[in-house]
Amino acid sequence: GQQLNQSPQSMFIQEGEDVSMNCTSSSIFNTWLWYKQDPGEGPVLLIALYKAGELTSNGRLTAQFGITRKDSFLNISASIPSDVGIYFCAGWDSGGYQKVTFGTGTKLQVIP
Amino acid sequence: DAGITQSPRHKVTETGTPVTLRCHQTENHRYMYWYRQDPGHGLRLIHYSYGVKDTDKGEVSDGYSVSRSKTEDFLLTLESATSSQTSVYFCAIRTETNNSPLHFGNGTRLTVT
Repeated sequence: GQQLNQSPQSMFIQEGEDVSMNCTSSSIFNTWLWYKQDPGEGPVLLIALYKAGELTSNGRLTAQFGITRKDSFLNISASIPSDVGIYFCAGWDSGGYQKVTFGTGTKLQVIP
Repeated sequence: DAGITQSPRHKVTETGTPVTLRCHQTENHRYMYWYRQDPGHGLRLIHYSYGVKDTDKGEVSDGYSVSRSKTEDFLLTLESATSSQTSVYFCAIRTETNNSPLHFGNGTRLTVT
């Protein structure tokens, strides 16, 4: 089935630094989503992207829908300790919105 | 808060026993989903529902069945649990809009011994 390659798998950063992570797919996507998951909880939607080239912000988070429609990027500016968690990309291709594919996640740890 | 409640939050069961997990939503959303989350695999779709008594299989449906007799409840049943079904199970909903994102519950951690 569809696969999403998410990188990096994990990262340690100093508080205050900017973070960048990305996700690539093997097929063209119609929608890209970014989620954050804290331990013991379900994923929480951060940003949804619907058009190629779209750039959307949510506070210190910015995500972009790649123009090739096969990739997406998430940036976090001025990281803080509560940014710690696992970030997942997700989306769907022409196979339909019912078949959402998820990346394997980027584990972010912030050093105070 | 998407108004999703999963129960139980934790369960330990023995191989071969039946197990039912419940997902309850309070906002009458049409679409409901069951995912499992395992290290190295991300979230994988088990089954989904697009209305009362309307369900379909996802990519990892073997060994699982679902039922939706009411809009607000979506049940996931493991007829005979196996150790490979040890996982964290998440329920998700989607609003009526086809393009809308999924919103997740807080999960059920199931251990099959």
